[in-house]
Amino acid sequence: SQQGEEDPQALSIQEGENATMNCSYKTSINNLQWYRQNSGRGLVHLILIRSNEREKHSGRLRVTLDTSKKSSSLLITASRAADTASYFCATAAQGAQKLVFGQGTRLTINP
Amino acid sequence: DTEVTQTPKHLVMGMTNKKSLKCEQHMGHRAMYWYKQKAKKPPELMFVYSYEKLSINESVPSRFSPECPNSSLLNLHLHALQPEDSALYLCASSQQGKSETQYFGPGTRLLVL
Repeated sequence: SQQGEEDPQALSIQEGENATMNCSYKTSINNLQWYRQNSGRGLVHLILIRSNEREKHSGRLRVTLDTSKKSSSLLITASRAADTASYFCATAAQGAQKLVFGQGTRLTINP
Repeated sequence: DTEVTQTPKHLVMGMTNKKSLKCEQHMGHRAMYWYKQKAKKPPELMFVYSYEKLSINESVPSRFSPECPNSSLLNLHLHALQPEDSALYLCASSQQGKSETQYFGPGTRLLVL
């Protein structure tokens, strides 16, 4: 069963604005990862945050993790048209061989 | 080289055909994965190979048959598929198969007629 749930399911914003998407999960995790998928293509890894970390940055991306609420958020600042994609969170339990993906957020950046 | 390659990019097959999907990585990763993804849905794990041994089969129908000839190659053999098997098939690899980052290929778009 899918462990991660994301909201919103779809988000449409103007170029230059910030985009925030959220992910919730149900059980204890080792880490949480965010991936981007451009239409009909493979997933690209964006960032991994471990269960003992609270915040992580990578360029225009900021990820937070709240293990007490079992939730994470991905913030993309100063959005660009090229950020238009689907974004998935994926959780990994300790020692697990597999990731469990959330339903994804479809982000559209309007020029 | 952080690339996972998949061939073919597109495949159309009839329900009586036999075909194979191929995946290759040269990152020295010891875990490889097959996922199936339907439109507007997240990837669904099908199989995991760890150190060339099948370690996870997510109750996938036997008409899908995975094979890992060596640590760099992963195949998915297809036989007697159904139209509902039409989807994007993604291959991924990771260092050891222990919840670390996965690197995905571009996928094979499969259409079953």
